[in-house]
Amino acid sequence: DAKTTQPPSMDCAEGRAANLPCNHSTISGNEYVYWYRQIHSQGPQYIIHGLKNNETNEMASLIITEDRKSSTLILPHATLRDTAVYYCIVGRGAQKLVFGQGTRLTINP
Amino acid sequence: GAVVSQHPSWVICKSGTSVKIECRSLDFQATTMFWYRQFPKQSLMLMATSNEGSKATYEQGVEKDKFLINHASLTLSTLTVTSAHPEDSSFYICSVRPESYEQYFGPGTRLTVT
Repeated sequence: DAKTTQPPSMDCAEGRAANLPCNHSTISGNEYVYWYRQIHSQGPQYIIHGLKNNETNEMASLIITEDRKSSTLILPHATLRDTAVYYCIVGRGAQKLVFGQGTRLTINP
Repeated sequence: GAVVSQHPSWVICKSGTSVKIECRSLDFQATTMFWYRQFPKQSLMLMATSNEGSKATYEQGVEKDKFLINHASLTLSTLTVTSAHPEDSSFYICSVRPESYEQYFGPGTRLTVT
């Protein structure tokens, strides 16, 4: 499976857009980009996934570059409840997920 | 998405005893469930893939005789930590994967071995 690189931590002001980057330069053509988050002492929560096209749902938007070597998760209006560790994972649909260290996002009031 | 529950949410046991953790898929029949372990300040590590009606598949380095997995029905998988030791203290999390590609996780079980 392709590996991902994420900044270890980020800060964002409440109400602003939080943009979380992820590099996955060795991603293969049939691998998806998944985003999960884990709030302290809870199980991870699925956010969004995509293959080539940009995706949007009620939680976030996923922007994937044309060469698919990087992506950005966007939380459009961050709230304090969005403080969590965010994991970017690449893999084929039926495969197991391999979690990296993620980005610890802190939303400040 | 799928709703997953775990029981208990936390447990304290004495060294040398066994502990069983249940993972239930409440609204989805899961032929496959996954078990993860997470130590403090670390990421999740996959322990094993639980397959309904057959043997679990363990990740490299995970002792199958110590971490017994039973997936007896489409809604229940259990993880038994046998002869637990303090180093087994961790946060254990299960997940299910519906027809679509994403996984849905349970709330986790915090095990403390004294």
